[in-house]
Amino acid sequence: EVQLVESGGGLVQPGGSLRLSCAASDVTFSNYWMHWVRQAPGKGLVWVSGIEGDGSRTDYADAVRDRFSISRDNSKNTVYLQMTSLRAEDTAVYYCTRLGARTTVTTVMRYFELWGRGTLVTVSS
Amino acid sequence: EIVLTQSPGTLSLAPGERATFSCRASQSVRSGSLAWFQQRPGQAPRLLIFGASTRATDVPDRFSGSGSGTDFTLSISRLEPEDFAVYYCQHYGRAPPYTFGQGTTLEIK
Repeated sequence: EVQLVESGGGLVQPGGSLRLSCAASDVTFSNYWMHWVRQAPGKGLVWVSGIEGDGSRTDYADAVRDRFSISRDNSKNTVYLQMTSLRAEDTAVYYCTRLGARTTVTTVMRYFELWGRGTLVTVSS
Repeated sequence: EIVLTQSPGTLSLAPGERATFSCRASQSVRSGSLAWFQQRPGQAPRLLIFGASTRATDVPDRFSGSGSGTDFTLSISRLEPEDFAVYYCQHYGRAPPYTFGQGTTLEIK
């Protein structure tokens, strides 16, 4: 069974930096888009960033663009989220998720099929 | 950006009853891009339904999804104790952002 395991969370001061990692137990890791989704305490899910299987394309939510950077090392089956200029509002559990896809005659379906357990980032002085 | 609005905010039902969750999109979306997730307290989200109506692996058949255009529905035919959780719809379109609804909490009555 494929698993995603996040690490790297912790307490950081406003303006600080942190790098999250997500390791996949999956030999076909490079075939998949990988994404980060976060959840502030007591709040809903918010998409943060995504990266294509070969790393050639990256996407960001407006709230983190220019402060966060997503990357991956397919030789290590790991995706990263480098977070800089952190703010109190970045406090959240950060989940790593794998994008699945299924194609039928009429449509292509894409969905977050697999999730890690998350890692907590707390931005506070 | 497509906004997803879920209703109700909270649903209070008893085990054995039927639950119905609504997800309305601010503009028409492809059915193939609409998914539903369950999140139990302290756990990661779990994929239930993708493509608006296809159950994910190992999801019991009491869960079903339907809808098209701007209106989508998740139904649970007979509630089990483990079904009491928060439910989110989500749209994965051709371009970001990939938005979630704000969630519906299913609580025990």
